[in-house]
Amino acid sequence: DAGITQSPRHKVTETGTPVTLRCHQTENHRYMYWYRQDPGHGLRLIHYSYGVKDTDKGEVSDGYSVSRSKTEDFLLTLESATSSQTSVYFCAISEGTGVQPQHFGDGTRLSIL
Amino acid sequence: GDSVTQMEGPVTLSEEAFLTINCTYTATGYPSLFWYVQYPGEGLQLLLKATKADDKGSNKGFEATYRKETTSFHLEKGSVQVSDSAVYFCATRGYPGANSKLTFGKGITLSVRP
Repeated sequence: DAGITQSPRHKVTETGTPVTLRCHQTENHRYMYWYRQDPGHGLRLIHYSYGVKDTDKGEVSDGYSVSRSKTEDFLLTLESATSSQTSVYFCAISEGTGVQPQHFGDGTRLSIL
Repeated sequence: GDSVTQMEGPVTLSEEAFLTINCTYTATGYPSLFWYVQYPGEGLQLLLKATKADDKGSNKGFEATYRKETTSFHLEKGSVQVSDSAVYFCATRGYPGANSKLTFGKGITLSVRP
């Protein structure tokens, strides 16, 4: 299994609070991704990174920011959480693009009350 | 943009039944195609992939053939087991393209009865 650790695995918080999710990899892969999974929507890309300090937006980036200061860590921040951001969040890594598959972490279940 | 359409679910089968899960895609360039599986409480795992037309991906008894003429990548298994109960996602990744990203279908839940 790819060495991907997401933390925390579960979190419950209140509307308006900041939340940071962490993804840590031990594979030294260049690409890292954050997705959210919601019923009826499959997986949707929030942000991705193609190198240290190099990030870009996905299809559902509003309300989220990311940072990558080291190859192994990719942080997702909800500056002011809203109930619509209640979801399961997955981190993925990839050695390259095109034919290279992505490998996923076990997810973080986030509930915003 | 790229898109993936999967058949509607959920699907319930008896053990040893034949499985087909339909997937069609829209993508530019020369996309790679993937099937991922998600078991309860876990992340997605790569099940199989195909990177060019007429390629057949296979793993754990599952197969899918990259059909460019019909833009399809249907997943099949000859005899399902209870342990195959999971959610299955079809995905496409456009290529070439800088930082090309995976586009997922909505997933389909498979339940296999003993």
